[in-house]
Order: sequence, then structure tokens, then C-alpha cells
Amino acid sequence: NAGVTQTPKFRILKIGQSMTLQCTQDMNHNYMYWYRQDPGMGLKLIYYSVGAGITDKGEVPNGYNVSRSTTEDFPLRLELAAPSQTSVYFCASTSRGTALYGYTFGSGTRLTVV
Amino acid sequence: EDKVVQSPLSLVVHEGDTVTLNCSYEVTNFRSLLWYKQEKKAPTFLFMLTSSGIEKKSGRLSSILDKKELFSILNITATQTGDSAVYLCAVISNSGYALNFGKGTSLLVTP
Repeated sequence: NAGVTQTPKFRILKIGQSMTLQCTQDMNHNYMYWYRQDPGMGLKLIYYSVGAGITDKGEVPNGYNVSRSTTEDFPLRLELAAPSQTSVYFCASTSRGTALYGYTFGSGTRLTVV
Repeated sequence: EDKVVQSPLSLVVHEGDTVTLNCSYEVTNFRSLLWYKQEKKAPTFLFMLTSSGIEKKSGRLSSILDKKELFSILNITATQTGDSAVYLCAVISNSGYALNFGKGTSLLVTP
């Protein structure tokens, strides 16, 4: 059982470039999330989705976009990368009705914007 | 706006010591508080606390919630170097869909 799979694990972008961070889960979870974690900080919610076709902004959505066309996939798009987006990005999922239990996290994507 | 504050932000102890990590929160319509351990990768789930005064225990780790005073503590007894990690506290409300995390406590256990 793969759980939550994030790709890539590492990436260096130049300022102004764009990229998509991929996230796939095989647990049929309805709820999916994208968080970013800066050094010495907790996780901040970027976007979340409660089901296919439904997405909503979290605490720090600026500079990002998401889509949820299937239950399994929840890609995060960075447009016009900026140094402030240098961070570690975590995707997570949980099943409907148990959002209060531990998420299943992906292994993270470390992104550096130079 | 929901708020989660952890203290201390960092801590260095010797192996065998007992540590207490703190998490205070302000959240509208509180539902649960969760503790995670993070070792240079994705956080791993430790405990979920919903009711006051009921201790959750797993080996040398234990946690308790005080809903009146709006805080939780995570205790680690007889610490080991493998306990070195960042410990994250998160809360969720009844109306929320996502966990709201504190900044974490970085614990270093030295031999």
C-alpha cells in the first residue's frame, strides 16, 4: 500500500519559473491537503480539498493553485516562483469523517527558488 | 483566528531526563488536539486528545488535555537519543476541515 506519494522529492527552480508538485493517494481518502513548512516553523495550510471537484484556500494560498479532478490526485501548481516559496511542501490525506485523526503524510518535496 | 502556541521552542536534555512540552490553544468550537513527532521527514502521529483529564500513553510518552485552561502537555520520560525530533501540536475545530499546527518544539537528547 503506497499511501501518499509526492513527486519530486527535491527541486531547484529559478525565479519566475513554474512547476507542479504532484500528490497521489491510493487509500480512497476524500480529504487532501497541501502544507508548507519553513525552517523553525510549523506547517501552514496552503490549500485543501474535501472531495473531487472541491478545493478551498488555506492560510497561505497566494502564489499557488490546485485542482482536484480525481479522488486520488491533488497537484499543487506554483506560478512565477519566488524565493519566498522556498520551503518543504507536504501533501496529506485523511478519510471522510476522520479528519481529526492523524493524517497520512507524503514524504515531502524540498523546493528551493534561486 | 485559531491559534496554537508551543513552548519551549527548543530544548536540550541529557539521556534519561524527563521532559514536558507545552501546547496552548485558542480555537473556536474546539474538537481535538493532536501531537506529532517529526524527524527530518513527514510528521508521524502520536496522540489525539478530545476529552479533558484523560491521559493518553504510549510507552515512555504520555499526553493530557485541559480544556478549561486550553492547553495540553506531552511528557517523555527516560529520554533517549532517538527521541530527538520536532514535536508538533495541532488542533481542529468542529467546523474545520484541516489541522492548525503550532511552530513545534525542537528536542535534542544528548548522550
